[in-house]
Amino acid sequence: GAVVSQHPSRVICKSGTSVKIECRSLDFQATTMFWYRQFPKQSLMLMATSNEGSKATYEQGVEKDKFLINHASLTLSTLTVTSAHPEDSSFYICSARGTDSNYGYTFGSGTRLTVV
Amino acid sequence: AQSVTQPDIHITVSEGASLELRCNYSYGATPYLFWYVQSPGQGLQLLLKYFSGDTLVQGIKGFEAEFKRSQSSFNLRKPSVHWSDAAEYFCAVGGQAGTALIFGKGTTLSVSS
Repeated sequence: GAVVSQHPSRVICKSGTSVKIECRSLDFQATTMFWYRQFPKQSLMLMATSNEGSKATYEQGVEKDKFLINHASLTLSTLTVTSAHPEDSSFYICSARGTDSNYGYTFGSGTRLTVV
Repeated sequence: AQSVTQPDIHITVSEGASLELRCNYSYGATPYLFWYVQSPGQGLQLLLKYFSGDTLVQGIKGFEAEFKRSQSSFNLRKPSVHWSDAAEYFCAVGGQAGTALIFGKGTTLSVSS
């Protein structure tokens, strides 16, 4: 079945540094990838949608200069949190959708980001 | 507006008892409906999905869900709950155009012995 690999699973970084999170579709071509943010005991909030080779579309209120999304190939999308601050600490999850609608939406295992 | 409502924030059931988690949606187009389960600190695992056809959908781990268009509902059921079912459950809706899923706020399931 469809598998999405997300790395790292946990990362701790210092304030002011940048962190890159990778999301790879292992056995299908992900034409669209979605990035979500989840606060403790809350639902998933969509941050942005990216299509391969195109600029990401950000949801209202999400700073595109802080959360850089790149979807350079059909199997890889990255989210870079730039100049991270403690309030950026959260659980980030990617989701990928392929051309075959039967795959539905496949989620990565998430990345726990802690900014100290 | 497109939305998903999960009316129950927290449900506790006894092990072996039946379970029903409620989900109502509002969506302008033909909906794709999903149920996911999430254990603490983990990603989302797909339990089942409905695209079209038979409105009673079977999923993994003994779960099933029924799509009722007239009620805009997609309730999740399991006849006999196991302690390992304790987790967070999310209902989600999406469209055929490949737009992002919209999630409900989730229902926390606790299982008592």
